[in-house]
Amino acid sequence: GQSLEQPSEVTAVEGAIVQINCTYQTSGFYGLSWYQQHDGGAPTFLSYNALDGLEETGRFSSFLSRSDSYGYLLLQELQMKDSASYFCAVYNQAGTALIFGKGTTLSVSS
Amino acid sequence: DTAVSQTPKYLVTQMGNDKSIKCEQNLGHDTMYWYKQDSKKFLKIMFSYNNKELIINETVPNRFSPKSPDKAHLNLHINSLELGDSAVYFCASSQDGTSGNNEQFFGPGTRLTVL
Repeated sequence: GQSLEQPSEVTAVEGAIVQINCTYQTSGFYGLSWYQQHDGGAPTFLSYNALDGLEETGRFSSFLSRSDSYGYLLLQELQMKDSASYFCAVYNQAGTALIFGKGTTLSVSS
Repeated sequence: DTAVSQTPKYLVTQMGNDKSIKCEQNLGHDTMYWYKQDSKKFLKIMFSYNNKELIINETVPNRFSPKSPDKAHLNLHINSLELGDSAVYFCASSQDGTSGNNEQFFGPGTRLTVL
């Protein structure tokens, strides 16, 4: 089956850079996704990596190493509004549904 | 314009009751999902429908019955509600149900509280 590990909490200050790691074990791998969820809100898509390397989208970047079964989400120039939960996710073996990690709660302070 | 909508947003009910949650998407997507998020924020897939056909039923008690009257709607009916059913239920949709860069769009969630 699929399983993912990510830290439960990360804290940082405004303007800093934070990296949220995710390691996974899968039977069949299609790619690694990241979602953001603010308290009381819905998860929203951030990024998807199917190939090794770094994908950059504004202040957020996502990295994947398929050989290490590892990825991370990099958040730069942190802002208070980045305080949220961040979930990594992989597809199930059939490639028909996302399996989510337990989420990392990021707290950004001033 | 709302992409994925759910009703109701909050649902408080007694144990043993039957309730339904409705979901609609106006994105023209082929695949819709139901997820359950517990108090520890663990987000777990329950069902997936592709073009009105059930694709995934992830070891969910048969008290939960999804219904998809058309590909824009996926409703969730729950019979004989139990305390452990208390959670936030999210509906989501994606262009198709296959792997790939298949961004899922989530509804606002329905917070179900069973007393």
